[in-house]
Amino acid sequence: KAGVTQTPRYLIKTRGQQVTLSCSPISGHRSVSWYQQTPGQGLQFLFEYFSETQRNKGNFPGRFSGRQFSNSRSEMNVSTLELGDSALYLCASSSDLNAAGNTIYFGEGSWLTVV
Amino acid sequence: QKEVEQDPGPLSVPEGAIVSLNCTYSNSAFQYFMWYRQYSRKGPELLMYTYSSGNKEDGRFTAQVDKSSKYISLFIRDSQPSDSATYLCAMATGGGNKLTFGTGTQLKVEL
Repeated sequence: KAGVTQTPRYLIKTRGQQVTLSCSPISGHRSVSWYQQTPGQGLQFLFEYFSETQRNKGNFPGRFSGRQFSNSRSEMNVSTLELGDSALYLCASSSDLNAAGNTIYFGEGSWLTVV
Repeated sequence: QKEVEQDPGPLSVPEGAIVSLNCTYSNSAFQYFMWYRQYSRKGPELLMYTYSSGNKEDGRFTAQVDKSSKYISLFIRDSQPSDSATYLCAMATGGGNKLTFGTGTQLKVEL
């Protein structure tokens, strides 16, 4: 069974640009969550989607947005990139509505560098 | 103040040592507790999951939860160089799939 797949794995963007990251969850999983990981702040929750609906949102500015498609694949977008957006962006998927951590699986992440 | 506090380390131990990793939390609504291991440039992988106070053992790993003190621990027995990684504690309230993480402790097990 394939794991959570994230693309692209590495990318470099210029300040002010926008970026779109993609996540394909494990087959059959309908919940997709996104996290930002930085050395100073650790992993911080961005948002969660379940069956195309945003269920939960973290404390990030509106420049960070996401969506989920009918096949459960998800994308997140960051507009007007800032240097501080440089981070590892992780996607996690689950088959459960309320997994509470027990059946949440992470992808390997997308490394974003903003210059 | 962060909801979950974790000593970032780095922690360096000799092979075969017992490792103790700890997190404290302030949110009483956290009911589910996890430990993840993350190797360099990889995503986190779930090591231990528990939802009750007390100990849970899985091979060389033991997770301990003390809800009254809002304190969780992970013990690694007979540590191996392959255990060298960053260990993240994570918590959930149970409403949905949102996890709140500690900042991670970097562990190095030396030969």
